Amino acid sequence: LAKTTQPISMDSYEGQEVNITCSHNNIATNDYITWYQQFPSQGPRFIIQGYKTKVTNEVASLFIPADRKSSTLSLPRVSLSDTAVYYCLVGENYGGSQGNLIFGKGTKLSVKP
Amino acid sequence: DAGVTQSPTHLIKTRGQQVTLRCSPISGHKSVSWYQQVLGQGPQFIFQYYEKEERGRGNFPDRFSARQFPNYSSELNVNALLLGDSALYLCASMMGQGPYEQYFGPGTRLTVT
Repeated sequence: LAKTTQPISMDSYEGQEVNITCSHNNIATNDYITWYQQFPSQGPRFIIQGYKTKVTNEVASLFIPADRKSSTLSLPRVSLSDTAVYYCLVGENYGGSQGNLIFGKGTKLSVKP
Repeated sequence: DAGVTQSPTHLIKTRGQQVTLRCSPISGHKSVSWYQQVLGQGPQFIFQYYEKEERGRGNFPDRFSARQFPNYSSELNVNALLLGDSALYLCASMMGQGPYEQYFGPGTRLTVT
């Protein structure tokens, strides 16, 4: 299974764009890259998933270079409510048929006023 | 529609005791996965159940067991509790065996003293 490395913590201010980079040097051909968000005392929530190039939805963008050895989650114009832990996952699409999601330690994002 | 529900919200047990945690998936979802999240770490996969059968198992001792009922709800049982079992236990449901997006519940906070 591909191991992921992401910063332990990041600070930002309201209204700024935040980019969180995740390294996954040993990503396999069939692996997807998925990001989850988790607030204290809540379960993780799916943000975005991609395989290559760029994916955008209503809350975030995911940039994946051609070699797929890293990825960047981009959160536009963050607010205080975006303060959370963000997890980068690499593995089978949505955890595959066994539903086995592999979480690392995540990045704790703190948004300040 | 109601999301994934878990009960109880909090639980305090003594070492050596047994505990049962409950999960009700989103209506229409037939698969349930269980995760353990120790403070400061990402969730770790314990089990996946689909159509009342175990479909995936993480690296946890035999003290951990689970089952799924005909209505697709699930129970996680932990015997002979250890201090190290103190954690947030998360349940996630998805439509089928996978791969599908997983939706997490709020978790049950277990404290072992």
